[in-house]
Formats: sequence, structure tokens, C-alpha cells
Amino acid sequence: AQSVTQLDSHVSVSEGTPVLLRCNYSSSYSPSLFWYVQHPNKGLQLLLKYTSAATLVKGINGFEAEFKKSETSFHLTKPSAHMSDAAEYFCVVSPGGYNKLIFGAGTRLAVHP
Amino acid sequence: EAQVTQNPRYLITVTGKKLTVTCSQNMNHEYMSWYRQDPGLGLRQIYYSMNVEVTDKGDVPEGYKVSRKEKRNFPLILESPSPNQTSLYFCASSFSLAGVNTQYFGPGTRLTVL
Repeated sequence: AQSVTQLDSHVSVSEGTPVLLRCNYSSSYSPSLFWYVQHPNKGLQLLLKYTSAATLVKGINGFEAEFKKSETSFHLTKPSAHMSDAAEYFCVVSPGGYNKLIFGAGTRLAVHP
Repeated sequence: EAQVTQNPRYLITVTGKKLTVTCSQNMNHEYMSWYRQDPGLGLRQIYYSMNVEVTDKGDVPEGYKVSRKEKRNFPLILESPSPNQTSLYFCASSFSLAGVNTQYFGPGTRLTVL
């Protein structure tokens, strides 16, 4: 069965410090992996996606994620947090060739001055 | 502008009163889907459609209906809403297979069933 586990429901960082949002996945197939961001009262926006090309994926707004097959992880990072990064982040897996997205429970990121 | 639109954005209704949430996309996407978002559960798929007149159940289809008579529209129908359907609903679309194509999400519809 396919599943996604976001290891932290809440993460709090200071502005200017690094961000790490952790995601582990389980998939029987070669998966596609995504990170989406949801700002308060807004829809979901794609940050980045991995589809079996380079394992280090760069996204928008300075975010990147590394696909590690041996660890079944797809952690999201950013070197320096900005106040505007405060939002909820979803790790999403799509099993290869299968028309479905499976969402993690979400990680709420707070950024303090 | 490429977008997915949903209406209404906010809706408060009472148990048993039929309602429809509309979804429309202007990107000529074949694949459309409905999700509900509940705290601590992420988004869960309700129904999806691979093309006109082709729909299938997602993970939580009970109490919902959909139709796909036109490529651009994918309405979500609650024939007899109940309080456990109070949630935030998102429509999404993509070119074809959701797994390899980016899904574009609408702004969401917040539904409260009293």
C-alpha cells in the first residue's frame, strides 16, 4: 500500500534560519513525489516535484528536496526562512503509472521574527 | 489566465438540503478530481474523472456524486448533506495521469452543514 508520513505536524523556526520539513513515503512502484504549500485561506500551490530525474529537486521560493530511495524519504529544505514561508506544507506521493495522489497529513510551518 | 474556479467559496447549509459545488477549468485538462481537507488528515480524494463521461470513486466517495458532461466542468453533488461532510473542498485538474502531471487546484469551498 502507498502512504506518506510527515514526521512533524508543527515546525517553528526563526526568520533567517534553515527550514527542514520531513517526509517519508511508502510505495510499491517507482513513485512521483511532490511538495505543495497552502497559505492561509488559499488553495494549494506546487512547490516542486520529483519524477525519476535528478534526485535533488529545486522548486520555487528557494525550496528544494532530495529524493533518497534507500531511506524512502523526500525531505523539504530551505537555507533561510522568510516570514512569507509561514504556511502548511503537504508531501504527496503518486505511485508510478497510477492516477492517484496520496497526501500526507501536513506540516504547519511558523516563522518567528 | 489558466485557472480552476470553484463556486461557492463559502456555504452554510442544513442537513438534508441538496447542494452542488461547481468546478470549472480553462486549461483543456482531461483529468479532474475532488478532494476534501480535514485537520490532521491532509487531503483525501472523493471522486475523479479521466475524461468526459468517465468518473470513478476515490477514497471517500460515500455521500457524494459527480458528473462530467463537459470537459471543463466537474460539479460535486451532495444529495443529502450531513454534518460529517462539513469540510474544506478542493477541485483539481491536470492534463492526464495525475501521477506525472502537475495538478492545479482551485481556491477551495468551505462547507458547513448544520
